Amino acid sequence: IPLTQSPSSLSAFVGDRVTITCRASQDISNYLAWYQQKPGKAPNLLIYSASTLQSGVPSRFRGSGFGTDFTLTISSLQPEDFATYYCQQTNSFPSFGGGTKVEIK
Amino acid sequence: QVQLVQSGAELKKPGASVKVSCKASGYTFTDYYIHWVRQAPGQGLEWMGWINPNSGGTNYPQKFQARVTMTRDMSTNTAYMELNRLRPDDTAVYYCARKLGRPYYGVDVWGQGTTVTVSS
Repeated sequence: IPLTQSPSSLSAFVGDRVTITCRASQDISNYLAWYQQKPGKAPNLLIYSASTLQSGVPSRFRGSGFGTDFTLTISSLQPEDFATYYCQQTNSFPSFGGGTKVEIK
Repeated sequence: QVQLVQSGAELKKPGASVKVSCKASGYTFTDYYIHWVRQAPGQGLEWMGWINPNSGGTNYPQKFQARVTMTRDMSTNTAYMELNRLRPDDTAVYYCARKLGRPYYGVDVWGQGTTVTVSS
């Protein structure tokens, strides 16, 4: 099931509210996860089941959505949040979105 | 602590095969599926398939079905991913990762990655 992320990149200031969207080509219920990846590192799970915060992840990360449209929101961007973010549908064939690179403005 | 430790970097010629290992520790190996994900230089994440260590059952996307084989050794808590008929565009970092079998969970632990370079 193809996943379309937008935007592919964005620039933001520390303290900004940032929103990334992920759209599935068909209904995937709440079977969606979000990951953060920094250069040279493996991805890190932030959110699963569309809106459940993984243990240890700061509460400024919030996931929402159901069916085909999903959102990752960072309420107040911190310096350590500059990274690339991926969505993944977590059903039988867990494909990834194309990624969103969040850069410093 | 929970860890997935992968084998070292590989340099292969086109047409060859590569087999990457992923040793699990700190949890019950059969409780989690092992997924394999790759990332070409400067590109996004690409899911290659999973193996259920308990049953040995596998699931591969169509793109890799003819070339990939995932296996496990329960005596050493190690999973393996073998990719055949390598091409230069298979050059990537290959990650193993664990995930509970039910669909609402994400991949919560990743290996450190294995760089595979395919070049003549």
